[in-house]
Amino acid sequence: AQSVTQLGSHVSVSEGALVLLRCNYSSSVPPYLFWYVQYPNQGLQLLLKYTSAATLVKGINGFEAEFKKSETSFHLTKPSAHMSDAAEYFCAVSANTGNQFYFGTGTSLTVIP
Amino acid sequence: DTEVTQTPKHLVMGMTNKKSLKCEQHMGHRAMYWYKQKAKKPPELMFVYSYEKLSINESVPSRFSPECPNSSLLNLHLHALQPEDSALYLCASSPQPKRGAGTSYFFGPGTRLTVL
Repeated sequence: AQSVTQLGSHVSVSEGALVLLRCNYSSSVPPYLFWYVQYPNQGLQLLLKYTSAATLVKGINGFEAEFKKSETSFHLTKPSAHMSDAAEYFCAVSANTGNQFYFGTGTSLTVIP
Repeated sequence: DTEVTQTPKHLVMGMTNKKSLKCEQHMGHRAMYWYKQKAKKPPELMFVYSYEKLSINESVPSRFSPECPNSSLLNLHLHALQPEDSALYLCASSPQPKRGAGTSYFFGPGTRLTVL
């Protein structure tokens, strides 16, 4: 079975500060991990994904995430927050077979001017 | 074309109405999904279609009736809904996953449904 846990339902950072959104996974098989962003009143947009290639994954809008098997983590980071980064962020996991996706509970990011 | 489109964007309906939500993709994906999302919550899976056949129904009430007329279209027929069914309804698609390959979901913008 697969699942993800997002620590911190709300994160606030100052504009220009480091963004760190936490995600830990549980999976009985090698997982595929994803970060999605949802801006207000919009659908979900894929930020990046890990599919067992490089452990450091670069995504859109300056975000990146590192897969750490020893810590079962896939935290999302961005060196410098921008006001436009304010949104809901979802970590998700899927197995390498089947077509089910499991979302975390989400983290709401607020960027303070 | 790398997007999933959904119509309408907003829908307000009474509890006795019958309406339909539509979803379309032209990426050649053979898996399509309906999700329901309440405010500040993650999307909840409702239905999965694989090769135009319903493969997963997550115990969704019968007032929601999905339909997949062809590989590009997915409908969600609504009848006798309740106010608590008000939510954002998201459609997604993905290629059929192969062993060893990660599968990304492509989400549509959603339909904001309000049931009065």
